[in-house]
Amino acid sequence: DVKVTQSSRYLVKRTGEKVFLECVQDMDHENMFWYRQDPGLGLRLIYFSYDVKMKEKGDIPEGYSVSREKKERFSLILESASTNQTSMYLCASSSYTGGRNEQFFGPGTRLTVL
Amino acid sequence: DQQVKQNSPSLSVQEGRISILNCDYTNSMFDYFLWYKKYPAEGPTFLISISSIKDKNEDGRFTVFLNKSAKHLSLHIVPSQPGDSAVYFCAASAPSSGSARQLTFGSGTQLTVLP
Repeated sequence: DVKVTQSSRYLVKRTGEKVFLECVQDMDHENMFWYRQDPGLGLRLIYFSYDVKMKEKGDIPEGYSVSREKKERFSLILESASTNQTSMYLCASSSYTGGRNEQFFGPGTRLTVL
Repeated sequence: DQQVKQNSPSLSVQEGRISILNCDYTNSMFDYFLWYKKYPAEGPTFLISISSIKDKNEDGRFTVFLNKSAKHLSLHIVPSQPGDSAVYFCAASAPSSGSARQLTFGSGTQLTVLP
């Protein structure tokens, strides 16, 4: 079974703080993704990575950065948290092999910025 | 501009009856479609998928139908069970060269199966 874990289930931070969200997958997947989920908006892609040290912007990258130093780990960084970044953050991973396109998701981190 | 739309935010169905969740898309480059189920405080879990070369895919109680000319897909759950109560997301994917395939998600439909 694919396992995607996220460092925290719930996080409360203050405006202006630097926030790190960590994601680890154990299936040797090439691709990793960060989404945020907001009511009525579905899942929106923030950043993704298709290889170590490679990253690409998704649909809403503003205010975020990412780091992928090892294949299994993908970090999302909020350089200076703002209240509009209060959201559910979801990490996912996928593989090129087998022609399948499903992504496997972690349990999510509920971030509140005060 | 939403490329994947789920126009029904919620749906209530009686236990044992059929649930039909709908999804429309606008990007003709999409060639792979997926449905995910999400319970509160959990990550989405993959349910079923369909390639654009097919018009139907079935897995147990779940069937996905794809109508390419109408750019429409639907998920049928028969029979519906209370444990199916969750938010269902439709997602679509287009080919990408040299990079990871991305998924574009709809806004979700909350399904409630009443006992």
